Amino acid sequence: QKEVEQNSGPLSVPEGAIASLNCTYSDRGSQSFFWYRQYSGKSPELIMFIYSNGDKEDGRFTAQLNKASQYVSLLIRDSQPSDSATYLCAVTMSGGGADGLTFGKGTHLIIQP
Amino acid sequence: GAVVSQHPSWVICKSGTSVKIECRSLDFQATTMFWYRQFPKQSLMLMATSNEGSKATYEQGVEKDKFLINHASLTLSTLTVTSAHPEDSSFYICSARWGQLETQYFGPGTRLLVL
Repeated sequence: QKEVEQNSGPLSVPEGAIASLNCTYSDRGSQSFFWYRQYSGKSPELIMFIYSNGDKEDGRFTAQLNKASQYVSLLIRDSQPSDSATYLCAVTMSGGGADGLTFGKGTHLIIQP
Repeated sequence: GAVVSQHPSWVICKSGTSVKIECRSLDFQATTMFWYRQFPKQSLMLMATSNEGSKATYEQGVEKDKFLINHASLTLSTLTVTSAHPEDSSFYICSARWGQLETQYFGPGTRLLVL
């Protein structure tokens, strides 16, 4: 059974600091990794995706993937109050979105002004 | 960008009735759409994969006769919850594959409350 684990939090970070969100997955065959942001009562919004080991940067966001350790993380630099949300880690066996996503339970992030 | 819509956004119905939820890709064609369900304070759980022109593939534990999925066109997939019961009350969210890398983009979701 595929499992995706995240610390549920809440993770409290001061405004302007770096927020670090972590995720581990159980299936070594996982190929694609996604971070979604979900505000309360809303559907998930894609933040980033990563397929290869290493770092991938997009604006204030950096995704990091280590397949050997089955670990993926998301760094948010210069955290803003608007970043306060639940961050969902998701994995899939195939490249891209060919298969349905397996989600973690999410980490609740709070950015303190 | 990839825009996915859902209708209705909210539905309240009596136990035993059927409810149809529509998922549309507005500015692209989606050969594959996915249906997820999210209970309060839980994560999203994949219910089924919907392929245009073919039968949907259901995840283990999801009753295909209760959750009817139709993907009749490249821009529309529908989920019908038949004979809904209070335990079916949930947040139903669809997604569609888009782009060269085929990432999934989610619709705004439909909240179902069965009384």
